[in-house]
Amino acid sequence: KQEVTQIPAALSVPEGENLVLNCSFTDSAIYNLQWFRQDPGKGLTSLLLIQSSQREQTSGRLNASLDKSSGRSTLYIAASQPGDSATYLCAVRLYGNKLVFGAGTILRVKS
Amino acid sequence: EAGVAQSPRYKIIEKRQSVAFWCNPISGHATLYWYQQILGQGPKLLIQFQNNGVVDDSQLPKDRFSAERLKGVDSTLKIQPAKLEDSAVYLCASSSIAGTKYEQYFGPGTRLTVT
Repeated sequence: KQEVTQIPAALSVPEGENLVLNCSFTDSAIYNLQWFRQDPGKGLTSLLLIQSSQREQTSGRLNASLDKSSGRSTLYIAASQPGDSATYLCAVRLYGNKLVFGAGTILRVKS
Repeated sequence: EAGVAQSPRYKIIEKRQSVAFWCNPISGHATLYWYQQILGQGPKLLIQFQNNGVVDDSQLPKDRFSAERLKGVDSTLKIQPAKLEDSAVYLCASSSIAGTKYEQYFGPGTRLTVT
């Protein structure tokens, strides 16, 4: 059974700091991995999607890496801003387009 | 393009009562998903529809939860009777068979509180 773990569970950093969120999964038989952002009272917003054959994806200040063989992914946020405060969720995509999510990392960026 | 719509946004009921949630997916999306997100946890898939047929309902507590997808478009999720542990956010998502990556698009969710 696929299990996804995210570390840390919560993180508080001062504005401007670079930070790394970690995601690990137990079964490397995945199609891709996706990072989402969740704001209170809102749905999930897709940030980055990395195919299983890729090593990393970048979008603006965000960079996500994937090491499928070791079952790990990281989300790097450069020059963090208060508007980055949210919960960040990692999910792996399995056969049948099923997503298995981690519990998330709650990020707070202090101004 | 309009996103996934859900209603109501919030619902408070007493245990043993019944409740229903509604979802309207993105137009043309054949696949629809219902997830349950308990506070402090990630979303967990309850049921997946392909058009109006069920693809996966292995994690749906069928003794109290039911779902249907009318004419392959809108969907309703019902809980009867509700328990305290059903307090959660219920998320609906949809995806297209066509296109790349089969990306799922999520609605804003319905927050259910059972007292």
